[in-house]
Amino acid sequence: QQQVKQSPQSLIVQKGGISIINCAYENTAFDYFPWYQQFPGKGPALLIAIRPDVSEKKEGRFTISFNKSAKQFSLHIMDSQPGDSATYFCAASMRTGGSYIPTFGRGTSLIVHP
Amino acid sequence: KAGVTQTPRYLIKTRGQQVTLSCSPISGHRSVSWYQQTPGQGLQFLFEYFSETQRNKGNFPGRFSGRQFSNSRSEMNVSTLELGDSALYLCASSLDPGTAYGYTFGSGTRLTVV
Repeated sequence: QQQVKQSPQSLIVQKGGISIINCAYENTAFDYFPWYQQFPGKGPALLIAIRPDVSEKKEGRFTISFNKSAKQFSLHIMDSQPGDSATYFCAASMRTGGSYIPTFGRGTSLIVHP
Repeated sequence: KAGVTQTPRYLIKTRGQQVTLSCSPISGHRSVSWYQQTPGQGLQFLFEYFSETQRNKGNFPGRFSGRQFSNSRSEMNVSTLELGDSALYLCASSLDPGTAYGYTFGSGTRLTVV
């Protein structure tokens, strides 16, 4: 059973456009929602994260929108650049055995055309 | 400040063999987690170690095991390798796993089983 569902699987955007990636979760015990960015040959890197008591968080061109009642959250990349081409993973975390363990979505491969 | 270091970067093994992967966390980080990344399943949690103790474990067979040393370095071992074990194995460390600050991942070990 997939606890975090991510869509789309792949996304192609023109330079300057808006990239939107969506995630949905089932377990209401999740209370931390990070996004990771992964370039080929590298491990995922934490991009931005949000808590469920906030509906939106913005860092530069990256914004997370969070809808607690719908159990959905999304990543918006404004003014997308070719350097943003990467795989993006959403995740949902909850404290388990004393540690926050993230459950990841399947990932979205983003290609930004120049 | 050095990041998370995983060795080796690439490994080719034959079915039935065993393999040991190594991970050195960021200095001062006491928690180390391991993930298996495949195109079909995405990032799947293997286990987490904190202060030399396994705190959490994912749904993987007993062929997958790990340990953590007193200097926080960690190793994971896979015995009786199967073709399906071919994957990118990622190690991640965190300063305080009890707070939701997210992981720092290494670049991974690419394991190919032939």
